[in-house]
Amino acid sequence: DSGVTQTPKHLITATGQRVTLRCSPRSGDLSVYWYQQSLDQGLQFLIQYYNGEERAKGNILERFSAQQFPDLHSELNLSSLELGDSALYFCASSVEGVDEKLFFGSGTQLSVL
Amino acid sequence: AQTVTQSQPEMSVQEAETVTLSCTYDTSESDYYLFWYKQPPSRQMILVIRQEAYKQQNATENRFSVNFQKAAKSFSLKISDSQLGDAAMYFCAYRRSGTYKYIFGTGTRLKVLA
Repeated sequence: DSGVTQTPKHLITATGQRVTLRCSPRSGDLSVYWYQQSLDQGLQFLIQYYNGEERAKGNILERFSAQQFPDLHSELNLSSLELGDSALYFCASSVEGVDEKLFFGSGTQLSVL
Repeated sequence: AQTVTQSQPEMSVQEAETVTLSCTYDTSESDYYLFWYKQPPSRQMILVIRQEAYKQQNATENRFSVNFQKAAKSFSLKISDSQLGDAAMYFCAYRRSGTYKYIFGTGTRLKVLA
């Protein structure tokens, strides 16, 4: 158990809908990262937050948005969903420093039908 | 731009044997970190090993070790005494020091044969 909690584990929805994925980082970790993993693909970096502020942005679509709340949990909002958005969405957290490493949640499997 | 390449989409190894997974990366930076992550069928991403570029000594974690060749920009993972539980996708990752973006390779699927 990495200590990073993601909910829900599975999500099935229809095209055009909007969903929210939730992530609670490990206790003490200020950084939260979101990654997308499509079928048999590597991990694509979406966005990173640090202590409530957006710090780095990757290939995140305009239909997607995220935020980190004062209690450090984060939410990834996906809207106007398309079939191609079906993927495994990972959240990861880290405590920054010389020993920094990512700890991943178990992911949310999103299926858009 | 930094890139990470894993040229072996799939590898197989006999149980108890040794296997080496390859990873190369492209960067003009001198200070960075390299990682190997394991993704078993459960799909949980698990950190296997971490290497700081400024350290010449290769990192080791039990049966897992790396061969870090900085000049060649190569970072291979050696798994000794392979076990059935080692079967997974293995991802190589890079992070430049002072930045927060981890770049992952496309992964190598490792099969362990009984």
